[in-house]
Amino acid sequence: DTGVSQNPRHKITKRGQNVTFRCDPISEHNRLYWYRQTLGQGPEFLTYFQNEAQLEKSRLLSDRFSAERPKGSFSTLEIQRTEQGDSAMYLCASSLVQGSSETQYFGPGTRLLVL
Amino acid sequence: AQSVAQPEDQVNVAEGNPLTVKCTYSVSGNPYLFWYVQYPNRGLQFLLKYITGDNLVKGSYGFEAEFNKSQTSFHLKKPSALVSDSALYFCAVRERNTGFQKLVFGTGTRLLVSP
Repeated sequence: DTGVSQNPRHKITKRGQNVTFRCDPISEHNRLYWYRQTLGQGPEFLTYFQNEAQLEKSRLLSDRFSAERPKGSFSTLEIQRTEQGDSAMYLCASSLVQGSSETQYFGPGTRLLVL
Repeated sequence: AQSVAQPEDQVNVAEGNPLTVKCTYSVSGNPYLFWYVQYPNRGLQFLLKYITGDNLVKGSYGFEAEFNKSQTSFHLKKPSALVSDSALYFCAVRERNTGFQKLVFGTGTRLLVSP
């Protein structure tokens, strides 16, 4: 049973650089979510996909952030011109929607540090 | 707007004693409620959820939670704590029938179980 995987697990970058994270969901899960978690806080929703369609975006997702899920399988989250405030854990979750019941299963996260 | 409150930053309990981690929520309609656990440098691990029906929900590792609609609470419980239960616990809510799929999390409660 392979769960949600995320790469890289850690990323250190300098302010102004671009970074890209990858999420591989559980096989056959049709929804994929991105959340951001800062120290001492719970995860905050960023965006989600149903198959390849991006259906909802948070106001937290500034124009420097872009997410894709081109074939409805893996997803990438890119941050352009990183800022120190982008330092956080980026979590990916996937789910299989069956009627009204849905459980999101999370990956281990990518910890980003912007210097 | 949906919100979750976890009033205790930390809960301390001795091994073998019962534990309770508190959660209250606010939604405009009926909720789906979830508990997740996070170990250091790991993603969130699903414990249990309330969808409908019986107010007492049983989950993984001996945990259970009681949904109380009048008190808008969903407290997490376990009859006998283990040292290995020490972790960060998050309560989350999602509204039904709104089209919003995101989970809204509380700020987390650190559980410390002493030997």
